[in-house]
Amino acid sequence: GQNIDQPTEMTATEGAIVQINCTYQTSGFNGLFWYQQHAGEAPTFLSYNVLDGLEEKGRFSSFLSRSKGYSYLLLKELQMKDSASYLCAVRGRSNDYKLSFGAGTTVTVRA
Amino acid sequence: DVKVTQSSRYLVKRTGEKVFLECVQDMDHENMFWYRQDPGLGLRLIYFSYDVKMKEKGDIPEGYSVSREKKERFSLILESASTNQTSMYLCASRPRTSGSEEQYFGPGTRLTVT
Repeated sequence: GQNIDQPTEMTATEGAIVQINCTYQTSGFNGLFWYQQHAGEAPTFLSYNVLDGLEEKGRFSSFLSRSKGYSYLLLKELQMKDSASYLCAVRGRSNDYKLSFGAGTTVTVRA
Repeated sequence: DVKVTQSSRYLVKRTGEKVFLECVQDMDHENMFWYRQDPGLGLRLIYFSYDVKMKEKGDIPEGYSVSREKKERFSLILESASTNQTSMYLCASRPRTSGSEEQYFGPGTRLTVT
């Protein structure tokens, strides 16, 4: 089975940095995804990690350690528009199209 | 831009009704997916299809069926709606080979079964 854990809620101040952790225990691993979902909207893709290390995309970075079953999403220079839910998802096998999602972390950015 | 559309944003149905949720994508993607999203549970995969007339069960297929007669359209069917199927339903698609591996999501249908 797949078990993906992430915190339920986080709050941070505008301009600050927030780190959202995700731990996973899955049968097979072929990539970890982060999606952003604003309230009432569709999830949108943020990042994809399949090798260990840090991937940086502007204000957002994602890190993966496969040996530890651990990832984090780092949001820098927080803006009010970053208030959203952040979803961690894992792809189990290389020939598998399915993603298993965590429950999501709701980030609230305060002025 | 990839566009995934769903037939309704909000839907209210009665217990026992047959419900059709339609999803259409305009980018010739082979793979399509139906998820439901519930608070505290995240997105759970109901069914997916990797090509026309092909379908596979996801993690929670009970009470649902699907139809993929054309490449662009993937329908989710609730044969006899029940109150525990009240949820947000999200459709997604992706090409068979994808450099970024991402799935593209539709806006969702919030279904209420009374």
